Order: sequence, then structure tokens, then C-alpha cells
Amino acid sequence: AQSVTQLDSHVSVSEGTPVLLRCNYSSSYSPSLFWYVQHPNKGLQLLLKYTSAATLVKGINGFEAEFKKSETSFHLTKPSAHMSDAAEYFCVNSGTYKYIFGTGTRLKVLA
Amino acid sequence: ETGVTQSPTHLIKTRGQQVTLRCSSQSGHNTVSWYQQALGQGPQFIFQYYREEENGRGNFPPRFSGLQFPNYSSELNVNALELDDSALYLCASILRGSGTANTEAFFGQGTRLTVV
Repeated sequence: AQSVTQLDSHVSVSEGTPVLLRCNYSSSYSPSLFWYVQHPNKGLQLLLKYTSAATLVKGINGFEAEFKKSETSFHLTKPSAHMSDAAEYFCVNSGTYKYIFGTGTRLKVLA
Repeated sequence: ETGVTQSPTHLIKTRGQQVTLRCSSQSGHNTVSWYQQALGQGPQFIFQYYREEENGRGNFPPRFSGLQFPNYSSELNVNALELDDSALYLCASILRGSGTANTEAFFGQGTRLTVV
């Protein structure tokens, strides 16, 4: 069965410092993994997706994620946080016909 | 903007009432999924419609039902509302063809339902 686990419910970073949001996955076949961001009172926006073409995936707004099969991980990173990055981030594993969402990581960016 | 629109944006209903939420999918997309996002949680899959037929359902009771129309827009209907149905309801639009099961979904802004 497909699943994801987001290891941190809250992450705080200072503006200009690196961001790391952690996600582990479980999959009975080659997974399709996504990261979505949700700003307050907004819908979900796709940051990036992994579909086996490359292990390092670059997304929008400077985010990237690395797929590591040996560690069953798909962590999201950004070299330098911006105040506008403050939001809820969801790691998603795609099943046959549905998305399986993690519980979310709330990113706080301190000035 | 994703091109997926949902209406209404906010709704307040009384326990026991019925509600209909609407979603217009992105142009050309033939698949619509609905998700429930309770406060502080990740979205949970309710069901999916592909070419006007339900082809997948999550762990939700039958009082959650839906429709997809020939133009691929969709409705989510919830009967006998309960307090725990209070949540953000998200619609996702996907272009799905044969052999493309895991494609990117585009989400609407959601409908915030409050049951009192």
C-alpha cells in the first residue's frame, strides 16, 4: 500500500537560512511523489513531482527534492528561506487513482 | 491560478441538512477527485470521477455522493450533515488517459463548510 510520513509537524527557520522538510514514503511499486504547498485559506499548489525520470527534482520558487530509494525518502529543500515561504507543506504519494497526503509540515520563517 | 474553480467558497449549514458543492475542472481534464481536509490535517480522499463514473472511493459513508457531468464539472453532495463534516473540501482536476495513472492534480481553492 502507498503511504507517506512527514517527520516534522512544525519547522522554524530564519530568513535566508536553508529549509529541510522531511518525508518518508512506503510503496509497493515505483512511486510517484509530489510536494504541494498550501498558504492560509488557499488551495494546494504543486511545488514539484517525482516520476522516476531523475532522482533530483527541481521545482518552483527555488525548491528541490531528492528521491532516495535506499532510504525511502523524498525530502524537500531550499537553500535560502524567504518570508513568503511560510505555509503548510504536504508530501504526497500517488496511488492508482488517489493521492495519499502526509499530515503536513507547517513552515515558519523568522525575520 | 489552476483553472479549477469551486463554489461556494464558504458555507454554513445546520446539522441534519444537505449540501451540494460544485467544481469546474480545468479545461480538457476528464477526471475530478474530491478531498476533505479537516482543520490541522492533510486532505483525505473522498472519491473520484472519470468520464462521469465513480472509479474510486475512500473511507467515507454513502451519505457522501457525487456526480460528474458531460463537461467534466462535478458536484459533491453530503446528506444528513454532522458536526464532524466541518472541513475544507477540495476538488482536484486531472487529465487522465490510459497508462497515465499517476499524473499531476490541479486543485481548486476549496469550499469551507461549517456545520453548526
